[in-house]
Amino acid sequence: DARVTQTPRHKVTEMGQEVTMRCQPILGHNTVFWYRQTMMQGLELLAYFRNRAPLDDSGMPKDRFSAEMPDATLATLKIQPSEPRDSAVYFCASGAPTGWHTDTQYFGPGTRLTVL
Amino acid sequence: EDKVVQSPLSLVVHEGDTVTLNCSYEVTNFRSLLWYKQEKKAPTFLFMLTSSGIEKKSGRLSSILDKKELSSILNITATQTGDSAIYLCAVGLNYGGATNKLIFGTGTLLAVQP
Repeated sequence: DARVTQTPRHKVTEMGQEVTMRCQPILGHNTVFWYRQTMMQGLELLAYFRNRAPLDDSGMPKDRFSAEMPDATLATLKIQPSEPRDSAVYFCASGAPTGWHTDTQYFGPGTRLTVL
Repeated sequence: EDKVVQSPLSLVVHEGDTVTLNCSYEVTNFRSLLWYKQEKKAPTFLFMLTSSGIEKKSGRLSSILDKKELSSILNITATQTGDSAIYLCAVGLNYGGATNKLIFGTGTLLAVQP
């Protein structure tokens, strides 16, 4: 069945290293969202794409985070350099372009990032 | 600032109990309210509500939106241990176009004891 996939599922890295997370949205979905979830902050929206164009990245620390959609089947979130405070679960979600459930987002399994 | 608040923050009940989870919102350009269930993985979609007073139901779960009170409730009857999860409420904002961003509450942690 159709689902959002994310890689890697787990990542442990050292402070200062670059981290790249990947997401494959559900085929046919034209919106992609990146979220970060921590115990303290809950689910925070980092960035949001529609038809591969970035619409809102106001939730993302611009100095170290970047998000792109090189094609319709791949979204990436990069952190360079990583810091311990970036440790969290990063979720990707996608949404369909039309229909009565247009606000429904479908989440991938997440990438659990630990920065030492 | 757009805000979604859920209560209680956490809840412990026994199997068979009925629970009511609350979600209230203060947002500009309200479009929809969604409920998600999150176990030890990704949030999974439960309901989307757009009209006041119309109950959505799925098995033992039901939800209703009150636009006058800017709130929604999620009811779970005859709870089971498998209902233990974080329940997330999110509000969709109307910026025009399809699939707009959601503002999430911090969730209610429900623990159902046998």
